[in-house]
Formats: sequence, C-alpha cells, structure tokens
Amino acid sequence: DGGITQSPKYLFRKEGQNVTLSCEQNLNHDAMYWYRQDPGQGLRLIYYSQIVNDFQKGDIAEGYSVSREKKESFPLTVTSAQKNPTAFYLCASTEILGNTIYFGEGSWLTVV
Amino acid sequence: GENVEQHPSTLSVQEGDSAVIKCTYSDSASNYFPWYKQELGKRPQLIIDIRSNVGEKKDQRIAVTLNKTAKHFSLHITETQPEDSAVYFCAATAIQGAQKLVFGQGTRLTINP
Repeated sequence: DGGITQSPKYLFRKEGQNVTLSCEQNLNHDAMYWYRQDPGQGLRLIYYSQIVNDFQKGDIAEGYSVSREKKESFPLTVTSAQKNPTAFYLCASTEILGNTIYFGEGSWLTVV
Repeated sequence: GENVEQHPSTLSVQEGDSAVIKCTYSDSASNYFPWYKQELGKRPQLIIDIRSNVGEKKDQRIAVTLNKTAKHFSLHITETQPEDSAVYFCAATAIQGAQKLVFGQGTRLTINP
C-alpha cells in the first residue's frame, strides 16, 4: 500500500473550477483505477487504465477525465461538469491478471 | 455488469462473540472475492480474499466461505475484539484483463466491550 501516493490529501474546489488529483505508484503495476466514495457508501469506479495511453470509463465517468502518459502516473481531473464532486477519492493499482488491488491513502475533495 | 449486495448494513456484537457479513453477486464469471476493512477516513485494507476454486479460506480469526452455486460469499470473524470495529466491504470481479472490482455497500461493524 505504501507504493501508491495520492496528493493532495485535502482539496477545496470553487464552483466552476477544474481540479486535478495526483496518483503515483512505484509498484510497477500495469493497471490503475480511480474510485469515488461518498459518506457511508461503497466505492464506485470512475475510470481505469490497463496500459499506458489507454483508459476506459467506469460506472460514473461523467464529469471526470484522466490521462495515462506514464506507467506510474494516473491523474484524475474533476471538471466543472461534475455537479456534486464532494467525496473521498481513492486511487488503486494492481498487476494485470494479478489479484490484490492496492489503494492509495485517498484525497478528500470539498466544493466551497 | 456485476452487482454486489451486502448485508447487514450495520452490525453490533459483544466483544468475544462472532460476526458474520454476507454478500451476493450476480455475474457467474466472477472468480475473485476480496474483503476490505476500512477505518474512518482511511483507505480500504485487504483482510482476506478467496478465489472461485476453493470453498473456504481461513486466516487466524477471519474466514471467508464461498458458495458458487448460490452466488454468495460470507465473512466470519470469531472472538471479536474492539479493534475489529470498522466498515467492511466485500467485492467481486473476474480476473481477466483489468480487474474491475465491484464493491458492496459496506457493513459498519461495532464491537461492544
């Protein structure tokens, strides 16, 4: 778990503003993921990527964008189109065809 | 796609008693079932997992059982301790290409001293 670094830990966004959450991993994992968690709820998949320069939408991709220019990095941009972005965001990674999915420590995003 | 249902949403047990959390899944292709423990404000931590080629797995006080025919799996915690208090999530996925874990809604477990 220590191999996945998310930043910032806390972020405040103003209405109409785009913000980017960083996720870096040094585990040499091929697949990376972004999940959203609302208070008292489970985790929902936003986007995932299996290889560099390729990514797919998850269940709640609207209002979010990602890039995968490097194997170790998978940043998430929360755009102004996401009307209710206040949540806990978790980045994760795993080896392709591996089993254990490791999570970063998470980022709290609040709209002010 | 896969859908995972988890019950109960809250569970309170006396210290030393056992706790059982149950999950059902919908996709018969799912073959990997992890359980995560999440403390308030922290990331989920894997506590145990099971693949579809076994029916039960145990690790000290924690065990997981899987019934592929009925498409359900359960987490069993014995001799519960106060530090077991947390939210527990089950998940399911098919290990092919990128694993897309689908999570249950979570169970808030409280251990009463």
